[in-house]
Amino acid sequence: EIVLTQSPGTLSLSPGERATLSCRASQNVISNYVAWYQQKPGQAPRLLIYGASSRATGIPDRFSGSGSGTDFTLTISRLEPEDFVVYYCQQYGSSLWTFGQGTKVEIK
Amino acid sequence: QMQLQESGPGLVKPSETLSLTCTVSGGPISGSSHYWGWVRQTPGKGLEWIGSIFYTGSDYYNPSLRSRATVSVDTSKNHFSLKLRSVAATDTGIYFCMGSLASYCVGVSCFGWIDPWGQGTLVTVSS
Repeated sequence: EIVLTQSPGTLSLSPGERATLSCRASQNVISNYVAWYQQKPGQAPRLLIYGASSRATGIPDRFSGSGSGTDFTLTISRLEPEDFVVYYCQQYGSSLWTFGQGTKVEIK
Repeated sequence: QMQLQESGPGLVKPSETLSLTCTVSGGPISGSSHYWGWVRQTPGKGLEWIGSIFYTGSDYYNPSLRSRATVSVDTSKNHFSLKLRSVAATDTGIYFCMGSLASYCVGVSCFGWIDPWGQGTLVTVSS
């Protein structure tokens, strides 16, 4: 099983600032098969990024993903008020889907 | 754009079977390349994949839940279902149905990014 560890657990920032979220895998993720999701309270996760760096349809370009191997990053270039929610990474490069434990982005 | 909607009891007694259905709209399950499945979100384990199925009926599961879970599909009703047997309080959580296009396959078991998601349904296990 590939364990995904997200850091930090909570990120305190102000609107307009840049957010950098980390996702570290316990072993290499083949073909960089990592996705990122945003989850707002009371809602299902929403796909933001797939293949480590490809933005999903309709996702604003302030969201970007990068990384390879075991280290992956989600960057939000300029935080908007609606971005202060929880983010999860997920790997799909093995026979068992796994998710990180989430990073909460809160208003400082 | 396919849309998913979960339905089923919100309260299940310990040791009984949790049964949920996901109705797909926006296109036929049998005409789609999606693999359909279930993910839950619990206080203890966070987001956890339960199991998935292709419209042909080929199913595959998280090894930790394989002994208790069954995912099935009914193409005539355009829906798929989950049964989780012998539930306990630790099974309490939000259950999401979802679809995924294949990026990585091991035999007939295929995995990819998850999109779309159902809105989720809260299931509480309690007597």
